[in-house]
Amino acid sequence: DAGITQSPRHKVTETGTPVTLRCHQTENHRYMYWYRQDPGHGLRLIHYSYGVKDTDKGEVSDGYSVSRSKTEDFLLTLESATSSQTSVYFCAISESRGFNTDTQYFGPGTRLTVL
Amino acid sequence: AQSVTQPDIHITVSEGASLELRCNYSYGATPYLFWYVQSPGQGLQLLLKYFSGDTLVQGIKGFEAEFKRSQSSFNLRKPSVHWSDAAEYFCAAGLDTGRRALTFGSGTRLQVQP
Repeated sequence: DAGITQSPRHKVTETGTPVTLRCHQTENHRYMYWYRQDPGHGLRLIHYSYGVKDTDKGEVSDGYSVSRSKTEDFLLTLESATSSQTSVYFCAISESRGFNTDTQYFGPGTRLTVL
Repeated sequence: AQSVTQPDIHITVSEGASLELRCNYSYGATPYLFWYVQSPGQGLQLLLKYFSGDTLVQGIKGFEAEFKRSQSSFNLRKPSVHWSDAAEYFCAAGLDTGRRALTFGSGTRLQVQP
C-alpha cells in the first residue's frame, strides 16, 4: 500500500469555523489531490498540486484553499465551514513521471461533519 | 466536457454468478481508465487499469475489464462473484497531460445474495 495518511480521520465542527485537513505521503510523489465524495457524485476534484507551492483548482474548489510547503504534505482548508461541505474527503497521490505512471493511490479518507 | 458514466447505481447478484459492471467515458482522446473498489467505511483500492495495448486487462481479486474503443466503454467483469465482493465500484478516467486528475463515475453498489 502507498504510504498515505490523512488527519484527522473524523471531525465534527460548527458552521463558520475554519477547518484544516492534512494529507501526508511517504512516497515522494510529485502530484497530490484532494477529492470529496458525496452520494451519487462519485469523487470530485477540489484542488490539486503538481509540486511544492504549485497548486491549482478543480471542479469544486469554491470555499476551499490548499497549501503545499513540502513534498510530503498537502493541506486542505475550509476557511469558513458550511453544512454543504459535510462530506468524506480523500487525498490521492501520483508519480506522473512519464507514461504508465499516472496511477493514483488514495488515502483512507476524512469524514467531516459540519453542524 | 470529460465525463464518466456508470449507468447502474445498484446491482444485486447471487454468489457464484457472473458479474458485469458498465462504464462509458466521453473524452476527446482515449484516456487512461481505472476501476476502483470501495468497501464500506474504507478508502479506494485499485482493481485494475488500462493505459494501452491489450484491451483485456487483468486485475486483482479475479476481476478483469475490457476496453472497447468503438463503444467508449471499459466494463468490469468477474466470472464468479464471492460474498466479499459486495462493495461500491468506481470507474475513473484521466489523461497524461495537464493536471492528471481523475474523473469518476458516480459508482455502482454491488450487493451479493447468498
